[in-house]
Amino acid sequence: GAVVSQHPSWVICKSGTSVKIECRSLDFQATTMFWYRQFPKQSLMLMATSNEGSKATYEQGVEKDKFLINHASLTLSTLTVTSAHPEDSSFYICSAIHGGNEQFFGPGTRLTVL
Amino acid sequence: QQQVKQSPQSLIVQKGGISIINCAYENTAFDYFPWYQQFPGKGPALLIAIRPDVSEKKEGRFTISFNKSAKQFSLHIMDSQPGDSATYFCAATNFGNEKLTFGTGTRLTIIP
Repeated sequence: GAVVSQHPSWVICKSGTSVKIECRSLDFQATTMFWYRQFPKQSLMLMATSNEGSKATYEQGVEKDKFLINHASLTLSTLTVTSAHPEDSSFYICSAIHGGNEQFFGPGTRLTVL
Repeated sequence: QQQVKQSPQSLIVQKGGISIINCAYENTAFDYFPWYQQFPGKGPALLIAIRPDVSEKKEGRFTISFNKSAKQFSLHIMDSQPGDSATYFCAATNFGNEKLTFGTGTRLTIIP
């Protein structure tokens, strides 16, 4: 149990376009999901907390208008990178809370902006 | 105060040996300490976790040792295998917060 999926697993886009990444909890409901960003050989950086039915809470320094988060149901949160630029290229990972404090992570999405 | 310091940054251990990764925290409100294993190009996977009411937790070859007074905890991997080669992250959080504070990661390589 406690499986989190992400789609797509990788995406390449042109500069200036928008990209949507989906995060799904497959076998449980998650009122809270998290979005992280990870650069090569670095730790995970929390971007925002996604709450079902309410606005996301963004960490300091994360542009909420650039990284749009929608948590429309108890099993789905989406991250949209708007007007993507090469510096947005990164590994994006979501997680969901299950069984108290335990966070289960998705497999990640590799975004490359040309 | 929110930091979790992790060491070493990288570690090379011979097959069959013991791998030890250490973490230290400052926030005394932390009460849940998970360890995650991450392979290249994959998301982190929960390996083992401990709460401060116990000093040690063992699951198979993986053991967490916890020292509440020193605010330190460590991961021990017994009989290390090449398949254990990965990056390991310690983390900490407090009940009701849910946000994880991650360590900087340790790249573990098990050599034959």
